[in-house]
Amino acid sequence: DQQVKQNSPSLSVQEGRISILNCDYTNSMFDYFLWYKKYPAEGPTFLISISSIKDKNEDGRFTVFLNKSAKHLSLHIVPSQPGDSAVYFCAASAGSARQLTFGSGTQLTVLP
Amino acid sequence: ETGVTQSPTHLIKTRGQQVTLRCSSQSGHNTVSWYQQALGQGPQFIFQYYREEENGRGNFPPRFSGLQFPNYSSELNVNALELDDSALYLCASSLTTTNEKLFFGSGTQLSVL
Repeated sequence: DQQVKQNSPSLSVQEGRISILNCDYTNSMFDYFLWYKKYPAEGPTFLISISSIKDKNEDGRFTVFLNKSAKHLSLHIVPSQPGDSAVYFCAASAGSARQLTFGSGTQLTVLP
Repeated sequence: ETGVTQSPTHLIKTRGQQVTLRCSSQSGHNTVSWYQQALGQGPQFIFQYYREEENGRGNFPPRFSGLQFPNYSSELNVNALELDDSALYLCASSLTTTNEKLFFGSGTQLSVL
């Protein structure tokens, strides 16, 4: 039972363009959402988060959008840079259970 | 500031053996969580430790156990290894139990033959 789904295993984008990574969830109890980035041979690193009381959070080139009615969130990277090439994981948590439920990840490749 | 460190980096075991993985948390972090990442999947929560006590557990059998020490470092023990236990094991530390902004180590790659 995958509660957090990333349906695109991979995405390729030209440098300078926008990258849009998508994530869907099924558990309506999730109230906090995060994106992590993972380079090979390294652990995931926190990128950006959003609470369920908001629909948008921005940090520099990264913006996360949350559509609660559709149970969908997306990560926008503008402009994309070759150094952004990594696996991106969407994660969610619910209530007092602070464990994170992760999606299966999307490999982003930014082409120079 | 020292980040999260894990040892060993790689490990090969045979089915039925026992394994211990180690983790040193980031300075000032009192909570440690362990995740299992199978090939092609996202990390899956095993358990969390806070003040040397288990503080939440995912859907893993009792042969997965852990410890947290007074200096907040932690161990993950797996008994009676099975082939499906082959995975990357990630340790993550956080400032509090409710802080989802986890800081991950690079992981231990466990292969069970």
